[in-house]
Parts: sequence; structure tokens; C-alpha cells
Amino acid sequence: EAQVTQNPRYLITVTGKKLTVTCSQNMNHEYMSWYRQDPGLGLRQIYYSMNVEVTDKGDVPEGYKVSRKEKRNFPLILESPSPNQTSLYFCASSTRTGGQETQYFGPGTRLLVL
Amino acid sequence: RKEVEQDPGPFNVPEGATVAFNCTYSNSASQSFFWYRQDCRKEPKLLMSVYSSGNEDGRFTAQLNRASQYISLLIRDSKLSDSATYLCVVTTSGGSYIPTFGRGTSLIVHP
Repeated sequence: EAQVTQNPRYLITVTGKKLTVTCSQNMNHEYMSWYRQDPGLGLRQIYYSMNVEVTDKGDVPEGYKVSRKEKRNFPLILESPSPNQTSLYFCASSTRTGGQETQYFGPGTRLLVL
Repeated sequence: RKEVEQDPGPFNVPEGATVAFNCTYSNSASQSFFWYRQDCRKEPKLLMSVYSSGNEDGRFTAQLNRASQYISLLIRDSKLSDSATYLCVVTTSGGSYIPTFGRGTSLIVHP
């Protein structure tokens, strides 16, 4: 089954404790992205990657890191989480068909930073 | 001013009604347009792409007006299962790839 998986789905942590949210896709997509979704603000892109070893900042990259060592994986790293990073996080992968990108989202990771 | 704007709603309609959502975008270089659907606490899922000539998929019709910089989504014969938040997404072509999402329009279809 074609899918994007994220782990963990739910996470409660404390300020400053490094964490990683994994993202994996099995569709051989080149593009992968991370978003955060907050009430009243909608979805905002954190980082994206157009291919292996190619990453770039989105709208809200501060406080986050990513890596793309393999095509299928795109982990999101919070080196020193803070309470303002409490949010719902989505990973997405994309394919371009006929000039139109179609994004497939993972199920989301709910993060609470105390 | 936000680049992609949507009326947050909620739109509260009875089953069988026709409902339309609009979405305006500010970047005239925008090239690709989409409607996504998001159920409560779930991930967004592509509903349909929006083509310049307009397109239809069953009860759903999407239109693009480049001159006025807006896209629309029309839902005919609303079903209870259409209740969700509808997200407008706009991307620009070129080297960067930062889709811009609207904040979504909430639809509630009641019996």
C-alpha cells in the first residue's frame, strides 16, 4: 500500500530534550516536506527536500533541522524543543504528474513540549 | 496580507444543498492550484487539482479565475460525509517548492 508513515504519532516531552520525528514514504517520490499546523494559522511548511541530500527552508524553519540521506526517509529533528513548538506535524511526499504536484500526507504527529 | 485567503466559515448547510467556497491568492506567478480535504484530527488529502479550463469530479466542480486571482469549489447535492475542512493550496513554479495553504473553510452538512 502506498503511504507516508510518521513516528511517533503522539509525543510529550520537556523543554530542551532533543527529539526526532521520523517520516518514510514508499512511493519513490522525490519531494518531501514537513509542515506544522496550528489553530488559526493553517499549515505552514518547515522544510522541504527536492531530492537526496537537497534540503531547503520553508516558511518556519527556526528551531528545526532535517536530513535527506535516503530517498524514502526525511526525519525532522528538534535539537532543543521549546513550548512554542507544541503543534501538529505532518510529513508529506509529492509526485509531479503533468506539471501538477500531488502531495500525500502522513497521519500526523501531535507534539506537546512542556 | 496572507498569500492565500479563505473564508473560515463554518458553512452550515442541509443535506442536498449546493455550496460554494472561494479562495483568493495574491501571487500572480502562481501556477498550480488544488483543493484538499481535511477531516478533524486527520491528515489533508487531495480532493482535486484545479485546471485553467475548470474541472469536474462527480459532485465537485473546481474553477480558476486567473484575472481575478481566485479559485472556487462547488459541491452539489451535499452529503453528511462532505463535512470537513477544505483547504485551498497554491504553488508557484520555479526552483523553490513552497506550497501555500489557506487556513481552510469548514463545512458542516446536517440532516
